[in-house]
Amino acid sequence: DVKVTQSSRYLVKRTGEKVFLECVQDMDHENMFWYRQDPGLGLRLIYFSYDVKMKEKGDIPEGYSVSREKKERFSLILESASTNQTSMYLCASSPPQGPSETQYFGPGTRLLVL
Amino acid sequence: AQSVTQLDSQVPVFEEAPVELRCNYSSSVSVYLFWYVQYPNQGLQLLLKYLSGSTLVKGINGFEAEFNKSQTSFHLRKPSVHISDTAEYFCAVSVAGSARQLTFGSGTQLTVLP
Repeated sequence: DVKVTQSSRYLVKRTGEKVFLECVQDMDHENMFWYRQDPGLGLRLIYFSYDVKMKEKGDIPEGYSVSREKKERFSLILESASTNQTSMYLCASSPPQGPSETQYFGPGTRLLVL
Repeated sequence: AQSVTQLDSQVPVFEEAPVELRCNYSSSVSVYLFWYVQYPNQGLQLLLKYLSGSTLVKGINGFEAEFNKSQTSFHLRKPSVHISDTAEYFCAVSVAGSARQLTFGSGTQLTVLP
């Protein structure tokens, strides 16, 4: 079974802090994704990566950056956390065959920025 | 660009009753369609997907969905729900040739009542 793990289930940070969210997958998937989930808005894509050191902006990249130094690991960085970044963050991975592929999700990190 | 509309944000239903969760999409090109489920405090997992061929797709846990190209719909159905089906359900679309893969709807919270 594919396993996608996220470093924390819950995080509490203060405004202005630098925040790192880590995601690791164990199925050698090329594609990895970071989403933000908010009530009534569904999942919105922040960034995705289709290869090591490659990244593409999604729909809401402002205030975020990403890093993919190894194939299995994809990090989301909040350079200076703000209260409007309080949300659930979901990581996903998928094989490289394209848009018909299933995405496999981690359990999510619930981030509260005070 | 593609978009997904889930018309009902909340659907309460009694146990053993049938349920239909509605999903409409818009796209100017061919699409792939997905339903994902999120149980409380978990990440998303795939229920079913339509890629091509038969318009009736069967998924896990007794769910099925029908692709209707003329109505641009992909409604999810189950003939008899259980308490354990209580979860949030997301419809998603992807477009052939697109690297970013999925665009999600806003979600439908299905609550099964005893």
